[in-house]
Amino acid sequence: DTAVSQTPKYLVTQMGNDKSIKCEQNLGHDTMYWYKQDSKKFLKIMFSYNNKELIINETVPNRFSPKSPDKAHLNLHINSLELGDSAVYFCASSTHNGRGAYEQYFGPGTRLTVT
Amino acid sequence: GENVEQHPSTLSVQEGDSAVIKCTYSDSASNYFPWYKQELGKRPQLIIDIRSNVGEKKDQRIAVTLNKTAKHFSLHITETQPEDSAVYFCAAGGPIQGAQKLVFGQGTRLTINP
Repeated sequence: DTAVSQTPKYLVTQMGNDKSIKCEQNLGHDTMYWYKQDSKKFLKIMFSYNNKELIINETVPNRFSPKSPDKAHLNLHINSLELGDSAVYFCASSTHNGRGAYEQYFGPGTRLTVT
Repeated sequence: GENVEQHPSTLSVQEGDSAVIKCTYSDSASNYFPWYKQELGKRPQLIIDIRSNVGEKKDQRIAVTLNKTAKHFSLHITETQPEDSAVYFCAAGGPIQGAQKLVFGQGTRLTINP
């Protein structure tokens, strides 16, 4: 019954590899996001999709490619992994709260370690 | 673009005392200011939010104030308890085509001493 889920929870891989992280939400929300939280806990938005359309695309290396097959799923594929990609990646989804804003709910995170 | 500054980076208070965390933002177009609590190894969780047309909001022991003119907002936690220990993040942003673009502060590690 988890609202926003991510797989895998942990991912350890070597430099140069390609990996994917998956996210699913069962809240019926229209919008999903990817955030990166670095070792200093700084949380930064990467991408957002609304109804499968890319809405937010921050300054992120083009090795990162999001894909949204439907409203409930948002995946993140990373090519040619680098040491600096090590971080916790959070997926989130949002809905309008009826007060003029979109409340965001986060998934449990995927800890990516690149060696 | 938006820039959010959060202070202090660490805060230690005695159980039962109050804690205050302050944030400033740069973009006057931002109209939504949520606060998130992140316990160790867990996801950020929304604890309270405020919109730009409201000056203050309270939910039990937690309150948030917003000064639009000065572009700063604060989180107040009263009667602190050990379970309040966590990292707290402020954020600011506005809607964009059905999404909410949030810029987060650097976080405040709050420790409640018994």
